[in-house]
Amino acid sequence: DTGVSQDPRHKITKRGQNVTFRCDPISEHNRLYWYRQTLGQGPEFLTYFQNEAQLEKSRLLSDRFSAERPKGSFSTLEIQRTEQGDSAMYLCASSLVGRTNTEAFFGQGTRLTVV
Amino acid sequence: SQQGEEDPQALSIQEGENATMNCSYKTSINNLQWYRQNSGRGLVHLILIRSNEREKHSGRLRVTLDTSKKSSSLLITASRAADTASYFCATAYQGAQKLVFGQGTRLTINP
Repeated sequence: DTGVSQDPRHKITKRGQNVTFRCDPISEHNRLYWYRQTLGQGPEFLTYFQNEAQLEKSRLLSDRFSAERPKGSFSTLEIQRTEQGDSAMYLCASSLVGRTNTEAFFGQGTRLTVV
Repeated sequence: SQQGEEDPQALSIQEGENATMNCSYKTSINNLQWYRQNSGRGLVHLILIRSNEREKHSGRLRVTLDTSKKSSSLLITASRAADTASYFCATAYQGAQKLVFGQGTRLTINP
C-alpha cells in the first residue's frame, strides 16, 4: 500500500494557462475525492467519483474545472484559463466504500500558484 | 460552506501538557473523522468515530462524540513538539457522500 499519490507536488503557471493534476488512489479504493484548500482554511469539497462515475460536483467547480477518472483508477483535475484566485492546494483522497464507514486517506496535495 | 467549527482556532501549550480541541457540527452524521496537517503538507487521518460511538482511543489520542450536542472533542495527552500541526474535524453527514471540514485548530507545542 503506497498511499494516495499526487503529481506534481508544485505547479507555477501564468494566468490564462491550462493545468492538469493527477491523483493515483490507494489501489483497492473505489471512491476518489478532490478538495481545494486555501491558506488558513479547511479543505473544501470539489467533486467525487464512485469508480469511474462522477457523482457530485460542488458549486465551487466552475466551468473551467473538469475532472475525470477513466477506468475507475487514477483521476485528473484540469483547470482551464487559470486565474489568480485558483491558487491553492489541491488535495485528492480515496476511500473504500462498502457496508461500513471508512476513512478517507489524503495525498500530499498539489500546490498551484498562478502568477 | 463548511459545516463544522473548531474551537479554539489556535492553541499554544507547553510540551507534556494535554491539548483539547472541540468541533461542532450542524446536521446528523454517519461518522466524524479527525485529521492532522503539518504546514504545507497533506492531511493525515487520525481517528474515525461512528455516530453510535461515544468515545474512542488511539495511543495518546482520545476522541469523544456527543450527538445530542452535535459536538466532538479531540484530546492529545502528554503533548510533544512533533504534535505541532493543524487539526481538522470532518463530518460525513447523513444523506451525503463527502466529508465536510471545519477551519481547523492550529496547535503549537512549546518545548
